[in-house]
Amino acid sequence: EIVLTQSPGTLSLSPGERATLSCRASQSVSSSYLAWYQQKPGQAPRLLIYGASSRATGIPDRFSGSGSGTDFTLTISRLEPEDFAVYYCQQYGSSPMYSFGQGTKLEIK
Amino acid sequence: QLQLQESGPGLVKPSETLSLTCTVSGGSISSSSYYWGWIRQPPGKGLEWIGSIYYSGSTYYNPSLKSRVTISVDTSKNQFSLKLSSVTAADTAVYYCARDRLYDYVLGDYWGQGTLVTVSS
Repeated sequence: EIVLTQSPGTLSLSPGERATLSCRASQSVSSSYLAWYQQKPGQAPRLLIYGASSRATGIPDRFSGSGSGTDFTLTISRLEPEDFAVYYCQQYGSSPMYSFGQGTKLEIK
Repeated sequence: QLQLQESGPGLVKPSETLSLTCTVSGGSISSSSYYWGWIRQPPGKGLEWIGSIYYSGSTYYNPSLKSRVTISVDTSKNQFSLKLSSVTAADTAVYYCARDRLYDYVLGDYWGQGTLVTVSS
């Protein structure tokens, strides 16, 4: 089973700053199999990035994904007030087919 | 615009079976491109995939829950359903249904709003 570990647990930044969120896998993951979601309180998750670096439909270009192997990164270039939320990485694997990281909370400093 | 909506009891007694239905509108559940999945989130915690189903009835489940989970599909109603047996307090969670894009390894590009199920006597 591949375990995804996200860091930091909480990231405190101000609007306009750059956010860098990390997702590390316990074994190598194909880049095609890595996605990122955003979740705001009381809402369902929203797909941001798939295939490690492809933006989902309607996602602003300030969101970008990168990485390969065991290390993946979600970058938000200039934080907007609506970007403060919890972010999850998700991988597709053999067993279970899908698993998530524990999440990074991005909070306003 | 595709929409998914979960429905079912918000309170289930321990040892009983949790049953939820997801109704899909704005698109066909019989699309050859997609599976349809269930995901849960205990209060204040992270996301856990439960399982997914294809319109033909083909399923795959999270091994940690497989012995207690059944997912079924009713294409005539554009619905799919979740049954989780022998529930305990640990099964208290918000349950989401989502469209599973297995072809590019994305669990959810469309999600329901979620429904809270509490396991308590």
